[in-house]
Amino acid sequence: DAMVIQNPRYQVTQFGKPVTLSCSQTLNHNVMYWYQQKSSQAPKLLFHYYDKDFNNEADTPDNFQSRRPNTSFCFLDIRSPGLGDTAMYLCATSRGGQGEKLFFGSGTQLSVL
Amino acid sequence: SQELEQSPQSLIVQEGKNLTINCTSSKTLYGLYWYKQKYGEGLIFLMMLQKGGEEKSHEKITAKLDEKKQQSSLHITASQPSHAGIYLCGAEGGSNYKLTFGKGTLLTVNP
Repeated sequence: DAMVIQNPRYQVTQFGKPVTLSCSQTLNHNVMYWYQQKSSQAPKLLFHYYDKDFNNEADTPDNFQSRRPNTSFCFLDIRSPGLGDTAMYLCATSRGGQGEKLFFGSGTQLSVL
Repeated sequence: SQELEQSPQSLIVQEGKNLTINCTSSKTLYGLYWYKQKYGEGLIFLMMLQKGGEEKSHEKITAKLDEKKQQSSLHITASQPSHAGIYLCGAEGGSNYKLTFGKGTLLTVNP
């Protein structure tokens, strides 16, 4: 049974056209994360929510925003996608705290044309 | 910030062979995680190590963390095509629950 679900699996958008990626979880975890992974690169943390508290990484572009309306759902909004935003976007959850592993969704492959 | 370097970047082995993947940290590791990723998919948790000298095994995969807690290795015994994929190590910071990842090692196992 899928525990972290990402939709859509593949997303194609045009340069500058806003796009939203979604993530839901059935684990009731406190923390939800968004990572960006470009081809042959390490996953890079964009931001995370601990409950309702939003935590942005210092180098995450302003073009990337996130919403967490409730425990189960988290969204990644890209306001004006550029060609360089083509990547796999991975959502993950954890209970929070040291030693707690992250559970990942299958990812959304975003292509910006 | 913590940086993780993985070696080799890619590895091709014949089915049945043993192999080792390494992960080296620029800082002391408080928690070291190994994940596997199939191409174009999410990450699947394999093992987590916290204590210096710790070793864990699951089926044919063994992970170790050195005493100084700056290097970890992942060893696969008698590799199978099902072991193929990208292996990533991830590290916790000292006082938080965010993971920083290495670039991964691409493993190909030829039948």
